[in-house]
Amino acid sequence: RKEVEQDPGPFNVPEGATVAFNCTYSNSASQSFFWYRQDCRKEPKLLMSVYSSGNEDGRFTAQLNRASQYISLLIRDSKLSDSATYLCVVNMWSSASKIIFGSGTRLSIRP
Amino acid sequence: DTGVSQNPRHKITKRGQNVTFRCDPISEHNRLYWYRQTLGQGPEFLTYFQNEAQLEKSRLLSDRFSAERPKGSFSTLEIQRTEQGDSAMYLCASSSEAQINSPLHFGNGTRLTVT
Repeated sequence: RKEVEQDPGPFNVPEGATVAFNCTYSNSASQSFFWYRQDCRKEPKLLMSVYSSGNEDGRFTAQLNRASQYISLLIRDSKLSDSATYLCVVNMWSSASKIIFGSGTRLSIRP
Repeated sequence: DTGVSQNPRHKITKRGQNVTFRCDPISEHNRLYWYRQTLGQGPEFLTYFQNEAQLEKSRLLSDRFSAERPKGSFSTLEIQRTEQGDSAMYLCASSSEAQINSPLHFGNGTRLTVT
């Protein structure tokens, strides 16, 4: 089992829709969590950190469920510009090699 | 621009040649990471520096790979005797030890093609 797993997608949704995807992690010692966005052939860029109580940044909401060991990302009122791959990142803080990236979920927003 | 800078952006080389990439992290960041990413995969950890000390190396990093950060500022990643399987995007990231749960900030990567 991979340490961090994501549905690769693609998720293909119309503009204005709400879309959500999850990321599961295997190590309960994981301590911090992030969502990154990566456009085609570009570097990953930090979208948001994920806090235990859940957090929101505009149209984006991130949640953490430690009991079930997953994090989620919800995008409301999706825009064409949201089309990208979304990577979840889990950090166990025990070592640098334990910053683990998922393989990403591809999102495509259609007009 | 005070972000992470990598060069070259692209490198095409013939199998068997040596290549070297450079990364300039965000100036106040003492942590520096190298990752490799292939199509459809997330970044895979290669190595980590805290200041000038190379503290961790992945098992992925064969003896053909070497990285340095001589003065705790910029870093170089060298691949000797390149193989076609080395073709990938090589990403550098930096973070600050001073910030709890500090996220990684990536450079725009060096795309290596080995022919």
